[in-house]
Amino acid sequence: DQQVKQNSPSLSVQEGRISILNCDYTNSMFDYFLWYKKYPAEGPTFLISISSIKDKNEDGRFTVFLNKSAKHLSLHIVPSQPGDSAVYFCAASAGSGGSNYKLTFGKGTLLTVNP
Amino acid sequence: KAGVTQTPRYLIKTRGQQVTLSCSPISGHRSVSWYQQTPGQGLQFLFEYFSETQRNKGNFPGRFSGRQFSNSRSEMNVSTLELGDSALYLCASSSNRPGGDSTFGSGTRLTVV
Repeated sequence: DQQVKQNSPSLSVQEGRISILNCDYTNSMFDYFLWYKKYPAEGPTFLISISSIKDKNEDGRFTVFLNKSAKHLSLHIVPSQPGDSAVYFCAASAGSGGSNYKLTFGKGTLLTVNP
Repeated sequence: KAGVTQTPRYLIKTRGQQVTLSCSPISGHRSVSWYQQTPGQGLQFLFEYFSETQRNKGNFPGRFSGRQFSNSRSEMNVSTLELGDSALYLCASSSNRPGGDSTFGSGTRLTVV
């Protein structure tokens, strides 16, 4: 039973355009959501997070939107750059305030930004 | 500051053997979590240690175990290795503050033959 789903295994966008990565969850107890970026042969790198009491969080080119009623979150990257090409993981936690223990991850979306 | 260090980076073992992986967290971080990444299952939580105590555990068989030392360094052990245990094993350390400050190591790639 996959509690965090990233339904698009891959996404390709042009440099300078917007990248939108989507994530759905089923567990109503999740109260903190995170996005990680992963390059091959490296561990995931934390990008941005959002608490369930908010619906938007912004950090530079990265914005995460949370729609609790739809149990859906999305990561927007504007403008996209070739260096953003990586696998992006959505993760969620329940009751830990986003601390790393017992994060539930989606299976990832491979983003390719074409020059 | 130094990041999370995992050793070894690569490991090849034979079915039935056991293996021990090591993780040194960021200085000052007392929480260490372990994850298994496979192509089919993605990243799955194994267990988390805080102040030398296992605080959380995922849904893995008892062949997977771990421990944490007083300096917060952690080890993970897998006994009676199976082919399906081939995976990237990732360790993450955290100061346990809310906000997702966990930092992952580069992982140990385990291949069971």
